[in-house]
Amino acid sequence: GAGVSQSPSNKVTEKGKDVELRCDPISGHTALYWYRQSLGQGLEFLIYFQGNSAPDKSGLPSDRFSAERTGGSVSTLTIQRTQQEDSAVYLCASSLIGGAENTEAFFGQGTRLTVV
Amino acid sequence: AQSVTQLDSQVPVFEEAPVELRCNYSSSVSVYLFWYVQYPNQGLQLLLKYLSGSTLVKGINGFEAEFNKSQTSFHLRKPSVHISDTAEYFCAVSDQDSGNTGKLIFGQGTTLQVKP
Repeated sequence: GAGVSQSPSNKVTEKGKDVELRCDPISGHTALYWYRQSLGQGLEFLIYFQGNSAPDKSGLPSDRFSAERTGGSVSTLTIQRTQQEDSAVYLCASSLIGGAENTEAFFGQGTRLTVV
Repeated sequence: AQSVTQLDSQVPVFEEAPVELRCNYSSSVSVYLFWYVQYPNQGLQLLLKYLSGSTLVKGINGFEAEFNKSQTSFHLRKPSVHISDTAEYFCAVSDQDSGNTGKLIFGQGTTLQVKP
């Protein structure tokens, strides 16, 4: 596609439910990133996928958070047993090559998650 | 570990006036430096980046930034702002050793409010 596509754009869920957020990166981009943007914490790195390498999960805040990237393309971020503090905008980004200079990360418009 | 401090949370300025958004960083390793802009209800867009070479970097929309290694700063400037520049601006760094320009540590953001 022309840009990074995220769905849904908005999600309201009840506390304790599981949610899945989807990211469709720019075609051909081998690196994919998830970030969280919240009022209290600003923009935080969550997880990074690069090709077939093991993902860098160093930013995931708890074991309730997980992500997959199937076929080196689409990624799904799953939050289990959602809590109110999970309310935030979840941003996905992709880049051509994750480990090289002169590459730029392109961001999607985000999924706004509200846990009630 | 790296950290980024944006010294002003909000900067109000009149149209056609100059503006400077301040950014300082802390890091035990060499870093790449970035400025991103976020318009309301949109994702992040790269304004400019410093990877190496000239410390004065020019970006899109007439913005520029200067890398000052001794002061660990990367302030963003524009000589004459427009109403359309009203947005949130984020300074970010990535670890130069990893070469990964997409795994970013962000500052808390500065809201630029351009008044007519």
